[in-house]
Parts: sequence; C-alpha cells; structure tokens
Amino acid sequence: QVQLVESGGGVVRPGGSLRLSCAASAFTFSTYGMHWVRQAPGKGLEWVAFIRYDEGYEYYADSVKGRFAISRDSSKNTVYLQMNSLRVEDTAVYYCAKGAWFDTWGQGTPVTVSS
Amino acid sequence: EIVLTQSPGTLSLSLGERATLSCRASQSVNSNYLAWYQQKPGQAPRLLIYGASSRATGIPDRFSGSGSGIDFTLTITRLEPEDFAVYYCQQYGNSPFTFGPGTKVDIK
Repeated sequence: QVQLVESGGGVVRPGGSLRLSCAASAFTFSTYGMHWVRQAPGKGLEWVAFIRYDEGYEYYADSVKGRFAISRDSSKNTVYLQMNSLRVEDTAVYYCAKGAWFDTWGQGTPVTVSS
Repeated sequence: EIVLTQSPGTLSLSLGERATLSCRASQSVNSNYLAWYQQKPGQAPRLLIYGASSRATGIPDRFSGSGSGIDFTLTITRLEPEDFAVYYCQQYGNSPFTFGPGTKVDIK
C-alpha cells in the first residue's frame, strides 16, 4: 500500500540544522507534488513547504522562508526538508504528505529545538 | 493568506448523534479546493474529504462534505466510537495552504 516514512528528527540546539527525509513507496513518486506539515506539541497543523512533482516550483510558509529548503530525489523516491537556523518555535512533529490534497501522510518525525 | 475559522471549538455529542462542523474562509477558496482531515491522539491526520465534497478512498458514507466559496460543512450522520477525534479543514487552492484551528468532537 501507499506509504510515507519520515526520518531524521531529533534534538538540536537553537541555530542548528537538521535534514528530514521522507521515503515514499507503492506509488509513482515522480508524478506527485509533496508537502511537509508540522504540529507543535498540543497545537494544530501548520503547512510548511511544497515541491511540485517536477521540481518546477517550491512554496514555503512565511515562518520558514529563507531557513528551510525542500527538495526531492525521484531516483530514491524521497523528499527532503533541510532545516537551518532552527528556533525553539520550530519544535514539532514533522509530517510529509502526498499530492494536491494530502491524501497520504507519514507517521511523523519529532524535532526538538532546545538549549 | 486565506484564514480558516472552524466552529465550534469543541462539540460534545453522544453515540449515534449527528455532528455538524463548520469551516469559514476569509476569502473565497479557489475552485472549492477544501479538504477535511481527522486526527486522533498520537496519530497522523487522515484525509476524509477533498474538493469540498468528495470522500477519500475508504471513508464511510456517514461522512459528507458540502459548501462552496467561503462556507463549508463536514457532517457525520451517526457518530461511531471511532469518530471522536479532532477535525481540521484546509484549503489547498492557494499558497500558503492553510489549516483551520480544528474542532474537537468528544463524547458527551
């Protein structure tokens, strides 16, 4: 079945960097746009970034623009989120999601930014 | 940025009752690109409805979506035990692809 598996989360100091990965399987990865969404502890969902199926364009939430970068490798069926200049307020579970209407989600990977 | 407002914040209902959840947008949602998601504690969100009224694969027909423009509704006709959760609406027509703050449906 269609599956997304995130990895790469962890604990990092403010100002540090992390790269998240999302491995996709059981669908034609190269034909779908992919998103990252996050959820801070006890809070709602916040869309973070999107990359089109052909890497033709990317969109970012204002809260991460200039600090985060989304990319994809269709040879590995994987989408990435490079997170730089991390802040305490970036602490959240990060999910990847597939397609225009987010029809499949991964299980999430937790990121904690703390000194 | 399109801001989504959901009401009520919490809905307390009994098994078998009908739930009506509202989502209002600050401006018209492009092509009715409005989705609804269900999230249970410790789990990822699950897509219920897309395109304002199309049920996602495997979603029971007790879930239905309606609305257009700025006003949208998710209806659950007869609440089952597994339906008690938080529900989010989201617009995916224009970046940023914003979510509403959620409606919690809990057991009365």
